[in-house]
Amino acid sequence: GEDVEQSLFLSVREGDSSVINCTYTDSSSTYLYWYKQEPGAGLQLLTYIFSNMDMKQDQRLTVLLNKKDKHLSLRIADTQTGDSAIYFCAESMKSRGGGNKLTFGTGTQLKVEL
Amino acid sequence: EPEVTQTPSHQVTQMGQEVILRCVPISNHLYFYWYRQILGQKVEFLVSFYNNEISEKSEIFDDQFSVERPDGSNFTLKIRSTKLEDSAMYFCASSEGRARETQYFGPGTRLLVL
Repeated sequence: GEDVEQSLFLSVREGDSSVINCTYTDSSSTYLYWYKQEPGAGLQLLTYIFSNMDMKQDQRLTVLLNKKDKHLSLRIADTQTGDSAIYFCAESMKSRGGGNKLTFGTGTQLKVEL
Repeated sequence: EPEVTQTPSHQVTQMGQEVILRCVPISNHLYFYWYRQILGQKVEFLVSFYNNEISEKSEIFDDQFSVERPDGSNFTLKIRSTKLEDSAMYFCASSEGRARETQYFGPGTRLLVL
């Protein structure tokens, strides 16, 4: 079955870059996503990458996909205190009856220190 | 910007009681989903719904759970007889379909079963 793994914690200083890593198991994933969850809040879509791409840049965010190693990373440039949150990667699989279902990673708690 | 909304934000119930969690997906979206997140654990897929029927459900989604789209805007998750282990954050999501499969999540309903 699908499995998505992430490291649990990451601590960086304000202004540094953060790199959050994720590994997944199912090579037939169509899209891979990064969601952000602030304390007590819902899941905010940050960015996504189609499985036939290897990089996507969106302002301070850079997503790298290594499909051979099934490795996804999210780089946040110039990390700010407002970036402190839990970051989830998720892989998307087609559902049998249409649509798709997401399998989420464990989440990485990013702490940004002054 | 359109968003997914959920009510209530918090619900406390006694074991064995029925609960209905409500969601209003984004208006032009065709696919609807429920996920749950037990405290400190991964976000888990429960069910996907399209064209007024379930398109896929997980092992968690047993006979105690049901979903319905009672009118053109609401999408509900009913738990018939709640158990202590149903305590979790329940997220609704929707996607447009037609090859646009990105899922947008609501803020969640925190359910506590006593």
